[in-house]
Formats: sequence, structure tokens, C-alpha cells
Amino acid sequence: QVQLVESGGGVVQPGRSLRLSCAASGFSFSNYGIHWVRQAPGQGLEWVAAISYDGNNKYYADSVKGRFTISRDNSKNTLYLQMNSLRADDTAVYYCAKVRYTFGYGMDVWGQGTTVTVSS
Amino acid sequence: DIQMTQSPSTLSASVGDRVTITCRASQSIGNLLAWYQQKPGKAPKLLIYKASSLESGVPSRFSGSGSGTEFTLTVSSLQPDDFATYYCQQYDGYLFTFGPGTKVDIK
Repeated sequence: QVQLVESGGGVVQPGRSLRLSCAASGFSFSNYGIHWVRQAPGQGLEWVAAISYDGNNKYYADSVKGRFTISRDNSKNTLYLQMNSLRADDTAVYYCAKVRYTFGYGMDVWGQGTTVTVSS
Repeated sequence: DIQMTQSPSTLSASVGDRVTITCRASQSIGNLLAWYQQKPGKAPKLLIYKASSLESGVPSRFSGSGSGTEFTLTVSSLQPDDFATYYCQQYDGYLFTFGPGTKVDIK
């Protein structure tokens, strides 16, 4: 079935880096844009970044621009989020989510999330 | 950047009630709005896309309407499985914003 599985979360000190992965299966990964969305403890959803189906176009929320990099490897059906200069307010559950058809049509498949905790 | 608001922030309702949640955008977004349902500890689930299109597999008691800056999500007859938090999300120029959420709980 159509599935996204995130990994790579953990506890990291402020200022350090972490790379998240999102493994896709059950659909033609290279045909769809993908988002990263996060949710801080007890808070709402925050869009983080998105990448086009071919990896040529990348978009970021102001809160992570210059610190986070989204990328994908279509040969491996995998999405990545490189997170540098991590701060306490980056602590959240990070979800990857598939674009329903194209950007603007919502996110129709979500992973289960991976937890990132930034703490000294 | 476009800001999204939702009202109410919390809604207490009973099974069988008709429930309406409103989402407003700080500027016009056409119909590029989606609605999600999220339960505690779970990933969000897409309910509505393009303001009024029902996602496959979502019960027909859910409906969406609106365009421009004001949108609504309606549940025609609330069921026990519908107690959850609902988020709207807009798309504008490759920036995406979620509303703050509306929690629907049991009266």
C-alpha cells in the first residue's frame, strides 16, 4: 500500500545537525512533490519545506530558511531533511507528506512521524 | 505572507449535531484550501482539497465550501469517530500555511 516512513529523529544538542529520511513505497515517488510538516508538543501543524517531483524546486518556511535543506533521491524513493544549527524551538514531530496531485491540492498521504528533541 | 485563522478554537458538540468550522485567510487564495482531521498521537488525514472536493474514502457527512478569504468545513451529523482537531491549510505561491486548529470535543 501507499506508505511513507520517516526515520532519523532523536535527541540533539542546540547548534548541532540532524538528517531525517522519509522512505516511500506503493506509488511512483518520482511523480510527486513531497512536504515536511512539523508539530511541536501540544501545538498545531507547521509547514516546514517542500520539494518538487524532480527535486529542481525547493520551498522553505521562513523559520527554517538557511538552516534546513530538503532533498530527494528518486532512485532510492527517499526524501531527506538536513537540519543544521538546530534550536530548542525546532523540537517537534516531523512528518513527511505526499502532494495529492500537485501543489495546492493538499497532502494525501502522511508518514507516522519522527520525533526531534533539541536539548542540552 | 498569508495568515490563517480558524473559529472557534474549541467546539463542544454531541453525536448527531451539525458542526461548522470557519477558516479565514488574510488575503484571497482562490480555492486552494485543504482541511485535515487529526487525532491525538496520529498523523493528519486529508478530508477536503480545493476547498470543496471530498477526498476519496472520506464520509459524505464532511463537506467544504468557500472561496477567496472565507471557508467552512461542515460535518452534517457528528459521529463518535469525528471528535478530533481540524486544521485548514492554504497554498499561495509555493508557501503553505496551516490554521491554528479547531478542537471538537464531546459536550
